[in-house]
Amino acid sequence: EAQVTQNPRYLITVTGKKLTVTCSQNMNHEYMSWYRQDPGLGLRQIYYSMNVEVTDKGDVPEGYKVSRKEKRNFPLILESPSPNQTSLYFCASRGSRLPDTQYFGPGTRLTVL
Amino acid sequence: GQQLNQSPQSMFIQEGEDVSMNCTSSSIFNTWLWYKQDPGEGPVLLIALYKAGELTSNGRLTAQFGITRKDSFLNISASIPSDVGIYFCAGQPIFNAGGTSYGKLTFGQGTILTVHP
Repeated sequence: EAQVTQNPRYLITVTGKKLTVTCSQNMNHEYMSWYRQDPGLGLRQIYYSMNVEVTDKGDVPEGYKVSRKEKRNFPLILESPSPNQTSLYFCASRGSRLPDTQYFGPGTRLTVL
Repeated sequence: GQQLNQSPQSMFIQEGEDVSMNCTSSSIFNTWLWYKQDPGEGPVLLIALYKAGELTSNGRLTAQFGITRKDSFLNISASIPSDVGIYFCAGQPIFNAGGTSYGKLTFGQGTILTVHP
């Protein structure tokens, strides 16, 4: 079954404590992305990756890091989380050929106190 | 960065009614995508549009890529209760020479749809 998995699904942490949200896909997709979803703002792209070791900033990259050492994995790293990073985070993967297919993970709800 | 304005923000309709929502952009997009998000889930792709003027259907859903490349609309005909959710448009910018822009997507703010039985 084609899927994108994220862990953890829920996380409560404190300001400044480094955390990593993992993302993995089993479809051999080249493109992977991280988004955050906030009420009234829709989904905003944080970072995306075109392939292994190739990443680029989305619209809201400040305070986040990513890495793409393997094609299937694309972790999101918050080196020093702050309360304004409290949000619902989605990982997504997308193939490079048409017809378009983009699969989203189930989401990670992060609360930073 | 690029911005998409999606309207309406929310809709309350009766079962059986038709629904229309649209997205407009300040800049040109190469691809328009429409997604639906059910409560507690990630968005799911409904329709993808690749050419200006293109009209595409998926069951009761119809979407169009605007001629100017700066807008798109989604219609849902004969709505049913399971159409409830948040609908998002998303645009992909013009490809650059290396194709890296293919990964960049900008989403609208979403339209919350409520269908009363």
